[in-house]
Amino acid sequence: AQSVTQPDIHITVSEGASLELRCNYSYGATPYLFWYVQSPGQGLQLLLKYFSGDTLVQGIKGFEAEFKRSQSSFNLRKPSVHWSDAAEYFCAVGMTTDSWGKLQFGAGTQVVVTP
Amino acid sequence: DAGVIQSPRHEVTEMGQEVTLRCKPISGHDYLFWYRQTMMRGLELLIYFNNNVPIDDSGMPEDRFSAKMPNASFSTLKIQPSEPRDSAVYFCASNRRGQPQHFGDGTRLSIL
Repeated sequence: AQSVTQPDIHITVSEGASLELRCNYSYGATPYLFWYVQSPGQGLQLLLKYFSGDTLVQGIKGFEAEFKRSQSSFNLRKPSVHWSDAAEYFCAVGMTTDSWGKLQFGAGTQVVVTP
Repeated sequence: DAGVIQSPRHEVTEMGQEVTLRCKPISGHDYLFWYRQTMMRGLELLIYFNNNVPIDDSGMPEDRFSAKMPNASFSTLKIQPSEPRDSAVYFCASNRRGQPQHFGDGTRLSIL
């Protein structure tokens, strides 16, 4: 069965420190991959996407993610977090063979930033 | 450009009442999605449309839920009758084929 796993439910990081959020997926073929961020009371905002090509993708707000086919992973990173990065982060996976746009979301990782 | 617009932002109603949630997708987007978000179940896809036609409604929890898209710029999600377990945040999203989904700010629904 297709699945998306975000192993970390909650991460606390100090402002200025680096951040890495994990995402693993289980699909039969190369999927499309996304990271979204959700601030309290808001909808989901796209951070970055991977469709094909370069496996290291850059996104907004200084985030990047790397697609590793051998590990079925798409981890999100930021070298230095800001207090405004406190939010919930969702990894999402889609398959072009499965009706365009239908996504499966991970359970999310809540990021807390301490001074 | 305006994003996906949902209304109302908040809805509080009593059990048994009909609830209608509304969504205006981004102009030019031909896919529209309805999601439900709860603490227990996370983000669930309820139904999605392509060119106003429902493609997959397998996520609709039961017959009390229905969704329509009468035209390219408007969709509704209706719950009748509503129950307390329907309390959640409901999101609408839209996209063009080959592009990421854009989400609205959601409707926070509370059924008393």
